[in-house]
Amino acid sequence: LAKTTQPISMDSYEGQEVNITCSHNNIATNDYITWYQQFPSQGPRFIIQGYKTKVTNEVASLFIPADRKSSTLSLPRVSLSDTAVYYCLVGGPGGYNKLIFGAGTRLAVHP
Amino acid sequence: GAGVSQSPRYKVAKRGQDVALRCDPISGHVSLFWYQQALGQGPEFLTYFQNEAQLDKSGLPSDRFFAERPEGSVSTLKIQRTQQEDSAVYLCASSDDAGTDNRYFGPGTRLTVT
Repeated sequence: LAKTTQPISMDSYEGQEVNITCSHNNIATNDYITWYQQFPSQGPRFIIQGYKTKVTNEVASLFIPADRKSSTLSLPRVSLSDTAVYYCLVGGPGGYNKLIFGAGTRLAVHP
Repeated sequence: GAGVSQSPRYKVAKRGQDVALRCDPISGHVSLFWYQQALGQGPEFLTYFQNEAQLDKSGLPSDRFFAERPEGSVSTLKIQRTQQEDSAVYLCASSDDAGTDNRYFGPGTRLTVT
């Protein structure tokens, strides 16, 4: 399973765009890139998943370059409620996939 | 609709006691996962069920850990003779195997072994 590396922590201010980059140099051909968000005292919550290029939903955008060795989660105009830990994972699609979580990136949004 | 629920939310056990943690997945979800999350760390995979079949238990840390899902819905994670290192949050997740990795996690059970 491909290992991921992401910053341990980031700070931002309300209204700013936040970009969290994750590196996954050993990603396999059939691996997808998935991001989860976790608030204190809650389980992780799926944010977005992609395979290549760009994916956008109502919460975030995911940018994946052609070599797929990294990906960037973009959160537009963050608010205080976006303060959470963000996890980048890679693995095969759907069905059975262990979902190997790393330590994640702790994002703190300040007023 | 209702999400994944877990009970109890908090459990304090004395070292050596047995505990049972319950997970109610989203109705109709085929896959069920258990994870263990230590303070400040990401969740770590424990075991996976597809319906009632336990297809992977490679993450269970010792033979004191046992999980079951006898009717393919509710699951129980049992820890025998608890040790202090078992203190963690135990998360349950379910999915409908729709071809994405959108797992629905419960709020977790925080186990403290004293």
